[in-house]
Amino acid sequence: QLQLQESGPGLVKPSETLSLTCTVSGGSISSSSYYWGWIRQPPGKGLEWIGNIYYGGSPYSNPSLKSRVTISVDTSKNQFSLKLSSVTAADTAVYYCARQGFLERWFDPWGQGTLVTVSS
Amino acid sequence: AIQLTQSPSSLSTSVGDRVTITCRASQGISSALAWYQQKPGKAPKLLIYDASSLESGVPSRFSGSGSGTDFTLTISSLQPEDFATYYCQQFNSYPLTFGGGTKVEIK
Repeated sequence: QLQLQESGPGLVKPSETLSLTCTVSGGSISSSSYYWGWIRQPPGKGLEWIGNIYYGGSPYSNPSLKSRVTISVDTSKNQFSLKLSSVTAADTAVYYCARQGFLERWFDPWGQGTLVTVSS
Repeated sequence: AIQLTQSPSSLSTSVGDRVTITCRASQGISSALAWYQQKPGKAPKLLIYDASSLESGVPSRFSGSGSGTDFTLTISSLQPEDFATYYCQQFNSYPLTFGGGTKVEIK
């Protein structure tokens, strides 16, 4: 079945750029039926949608994160990526990647999540 | 952005009890609502989509209802494995948003 796995540094310094990759296995990222999304969860808090991307491009991000978010896709590697610039301690969170329906915009399945801590 | 308000934020209950969690949207979202279950240290798991459609493999004791601005998730008879945090999510419009969560604890 489809599986997603996040990877990237677990510690990022303030003001630097957080970079994560999600590898999709058991299916193709080039499906016309899905977006590929990022969601985060600060420790002990709720879920926040970060953004998504279609296999052909056209990323969309949460306006609350303004212009700090860049999402890209690499169909040759069946991966998509997240970059979050100018991070602060408030960006410390578990970051999840997930598949999102093109029209049915719920998330399923999810990756296991990766904790990213912003600290000097 | 559409805000989702869940209530209660937490509840203590017993195995076998009927549990109802509500999710209220700040504006109408038709039936564009999903429910997730999250256990500690794990990713959320999809339970319900389109407000009332049960995801494949999810026990039938879970059900969802509602449309417009008011939605409910009901667990008809709580089982030990159901103690978790539950989140609603609207997908009517971007940005996609989640409710604040409801933690279901053992009394």
